[in-house]
Amino acid sequence: EVQLVQSGAEVKKPGESLKISCEGSGYSFSTNWIGWVRQMPGKGLEWMGIIYPADSDTRYSPSFQGLVTISADKTINTAYLQWNRLRASDTAMYYCARSDTSWSPFDYWGLGTLVTVSS
Amino acid sequence: DIQMTQSPSSLSASVGDRVTITCRASQSIINYLNWYQQKPGKAPRLLIYGVSILQSGVPSRFSGSGSGTDFTLTISSLQPEDFATYYCQQSYSARTFGQGTKVEIK
Repeated sequence: EVQLVQSGAEVKKPGESLKISCEGSGYSFSTNWIGWVRQMPGKGLEWMGIIYPADSDTRYSPSFQGLVTISADKTINTAYLQWNRLRASDTAMYYCARSDTSWSPFDYWGLGTLVTVSS
Repeated sequence: DIQMTQSPSSLSASVGDRVTITCRASQSIINYLNWYQQKPGKAPRLLIYGVSILQSGVPSRFSGSGSGTDFTLTISSLQPEDFATYYCQQSYSARTFGQGTKVEIK
C-alpha cells in the first residue's frame, strides 16, 4: 500500500528556520516524483515544486523559487521542504504528493503538515 | 508559466442535479489535465487524469472532457458525498492548479 507520512504540525516564530518531511512507503521512492503543495487558510491549492529522489532533479514554481528548498534522501525514502527564514505569510497546510512521471497527476497524497508562524 | 482558470468559483446545486465545471488553460496543454476533489479538512483526492480517465475507485457519474485549452468536469447526478471543492491541474509544464470550484448544497 502506497503511503506518504508527513511530519507533525509546527508552531514557529517569524525568522526561524524549519524543515518538514514526507516519508514514502509501499512503492519505489527513488523513481517517483514527490511534489509539495501549499494551501493557505481558506484558500486554494498552490503547486510549490517537485523532486525526483533518484537524482535530486528539482523544479520550482516561479512563485516559490528562492523562498523554499526542496530536497530528498533516497536512502531513507524521505522528501523535505525547508525554509531558512519563516514569515507569517508561510502559515498554511503543506501537502506532499506522489507523481510517477514529471507529467503525471498526483495520485497519492500525504495528510498534510500544518505550519503556523506567529510571534 | 501556464495559468489555469476555473469557472464558476462556486455553485449551489441539489442532489440529483447535473453539474459542470470548466477549466481553461492559458496555452495548449494537450491532454495533460487532471481533476481533484477536496473535502474540508482532508487532503485532495485524484478524480480524473489525462482529461477523461477515471482514477480507480471513482464513481462513473464523474466524467471529463476537452482538449487543448478548454476542459470540463461533469457530475451527472450529484450525490450528497460530492459536495466539495474541485480543482483542475495542468501537468504539461511543471504543475498549476486552478483556483477551485466549491460545490455547495442548494
